[in-house]
Amino acid sequence: QKEVEQNSGPLSVPEGAIASLNCTYSDRGSQSFFWYRQYSGKSPELIMFIYSNGDKEDGRFTAQLNKASQYVSLLIRDSQPSDSATYLCAVTQGGSEKLVFGKGTKLTVNP
Amino acid sequence: GAVVSQHPSWVICKSGTSVKIECRSLDFQATTMFWYRQFPKQSLMLMATSNEGSKATYEQGVEKDKFLINHASLTLSTLTVTSAHPEDSSFYICSGGVNTQYFGPGTRLTVL
Repeated sequence: QKEVEQNSGPLSVPEGAIASLNCTYSDRGSQSFFWYRQYSGKSPELIMFIYSNGDKEDGRFTAQLNKASQYVSLLIRDSQPSDSATYLCAVTQGGSEKLVFGKGTKLTVNP
Repeated sequence: GAVVSQHPSWVICKSGTSVKIECRSLDFQATTMFWYRQFPKQSLMLMATSNEGSKATYEQGVEKDKFLINHASLTLSTLTVTSAHPEDSSFYICSGGVNTQYFGPGTRLTVL
């Protein structure tokens, strides 16, 4: 059973702080890793993707991947109330395009 | 990123009727698309993989005769919920893309 684990939260941070979201996965064959943001009642929106070990930065978002530890994280700098949402970690299953999702971490950014 | 559209965005139907949901790739050719279902406060559940020109691949526990998938062109996949019942009420979302999956806006189905 391929699994993706996330802390369900809720994670609450003050506005302007750094939010740190973590994810572990079980399939060592996974090659692509994604973070999606989902607002209540809406479909998931792609935030970041990362394929190689290390850090990838895009604006206020940084994704970090450590394949040896089977760990991927998302850092949100200068958190804004509009960042309040559920963040879904997803990894590809083996060499396929099929995604396995974690259950999501609910983030609340307090003004 | 890739753009995926869905139609309708919401639908209400009577129990026993069939409902068709369309998923279109607007700026890329999709040989593969994915259909998900999401119940309130739960995570996405993959239902099936839609393959252009061939049969869909269903996940374990998903009834292929109830959830009919057709992927006749590189830009359109359809999901038909046959003989819908109240327990089929859910948020249905498709995804597609090249190397990266982008989600459609979803279809909220309510079966009375």
